[in-house]
Amino acid sequence: DGGITQSPKYLFRKEGQNVTLSCEQNLNHDAMYWYRQDPGQGLRLIYYSQIVNDFQKGDIAEGYSVSREKKESFPLTVTSAQKNPTAFYLCASRQGNVLTFGAGSRLTVL
Amino acid sequence: KQEVTQIPAALSVPEGENLVLNCSFTDSAIYNLQWFRQDPGKGLTSLLLIQSSQREQTSGRLNASLDKSSGRSTLYIAASQPGDSATYLCAVRADTGFQKLVFGTGTRLLVSP
Repeated sequence: DGGITQSPKYLFRKEGQNVTLSCEQNLNHDAMYWYRQDPGQGLRLIYYSQIVNDFQKGDIAEGYSVSREKKESFPLTVTSAQKNPTAFYLCASRQGNVLTFGAGSRLTVL
Repeated sequence: KQEVTQIPAALSVPEGENLVLNCSFTDSAIYNLQWFRQDPGKGLTSLLLIQSSQREQTSGRLNASLDKSSGRSTLYIAASQPGDSATYLCAVRADTGFQKLVFGTGTRLLVSP
């Protein structure tokens, strides 16, 4: 079945460590997105990519980095510069008006 | 800057009731509006998409309406079931530039048997 796979589902990080969240899609979608979700808040856009080897900052890009070397993959690195990284992270891809989300990754900073 | 608000933040109803969830947005220059469902700890599933030129969309027991000029959308759920319990989010897409979605904070729905 086509879809988006995010891993890991749960991740714990010590302060000062970088961590990378994986997002893989087999939908052949061009555009991919990373959102952050905090309790009581809507989803906020971190980064997006409309095509391979191109990506743009969203509303809250500080402390995050991405790459888009392959159409299928859009990994997100949460760096030590992100001051409050504990959150639920959602990856999505889009073709036309169809937006498909992964199941999410929950990051907790210890 | 587009802002999307959803009221109420939480709603609890007995099974079988019809209910309405509200979504309001500040900038009426939208391309479309989507309603999503999110189960606890999971990703989002698209329920309905309304283009800016449309007034409503229906899927099964769900009906979404759009009044662009007043900046409002409603999601009507008929004959609610316990399986409808989830958080419902609306999101609007601007009609210019990059196809970014601005999300509301969601309504958490609990349907009791």
